[in-house]
Amino acid sequence: ETGVTQSPTHLIKTRGQQVTLRCSSQSGHNTVSWYQQALGQGPQFIFQYYREEENGRGNFPPRFSGLQFPNYSSELNVNALELDDSALYLCASSYERDSIFEQFFGPGTRLTVL
Amino acid sequence: KNEVEQSPQNLTAQEGEFITINCSYSVGISALHWLQQHPGGGIVSLFMLSSGKKKHGRLIATINIQEKHSSLHITASHPRDSAVYICAAFTSGGSYIPTFGRGTSLIVHP
Repeated sequence: ETGVTQSPTHLIKTRGQQVTLRCSSQSGHNTVSWYQQALGQGPQFIFQYYREEENGRGNFPPRFSGLQFPNYSSELNVNALELDDSALYLCASSYERDSIFEQFFGPGTRLTVL
Repeated sequence: KNEVEQSPQNLTAQEGEFITINCSYSVGISALHWLQQHPGGGIVSLFMLSSGKKKHGRLIATINIQEKHSSLHITASHPRDSAVYICAAFTSGGSYIPTFGRGTSLIVHP
């Protein structure tokens, strides 16, 4: 069983730039969620995709957007980067099982915005 | 909106001690997830529970739905247990979007 992978591991950008983060779901999982974790905080939900459709969104501006592909891999895009976007970005995949999603997390991408 | 609170925020223990980390939430949930996060960021799922108690090795998780409270216990703690422990609550009503606590940072000294 292949685990959740994310790329890149680390990334440094400057204000105003755009970034794309990638996530490969665990084999057999059709749902992916993205989270932002600032230093010293718990993860904050950005959005979730289920079978290529957005299935819920947290309190993040439209410059945070996503995609899920037919193979259930996913991208998180952030436009017009701001200093406060510096954080660890986590994706987690899951498969609906008895109406409870158990999520399996990737190692994260650490984004630094200068 | 579900508010998830963890206590304590920081915890230091000696090897062998019994550890308890608490998680409380404000609205009804369908399930609660305990996670372990090591330095560097990687998150490992420990337990997913909706009632009662689960045990895996030295880890025990309990949940009281009526009191909106869950606990994670570590018996015979070891330095390798040093990590941040996070609870995440899945709100009832068909939403499978979790609300996370801020985490409890545990350091176990040899």
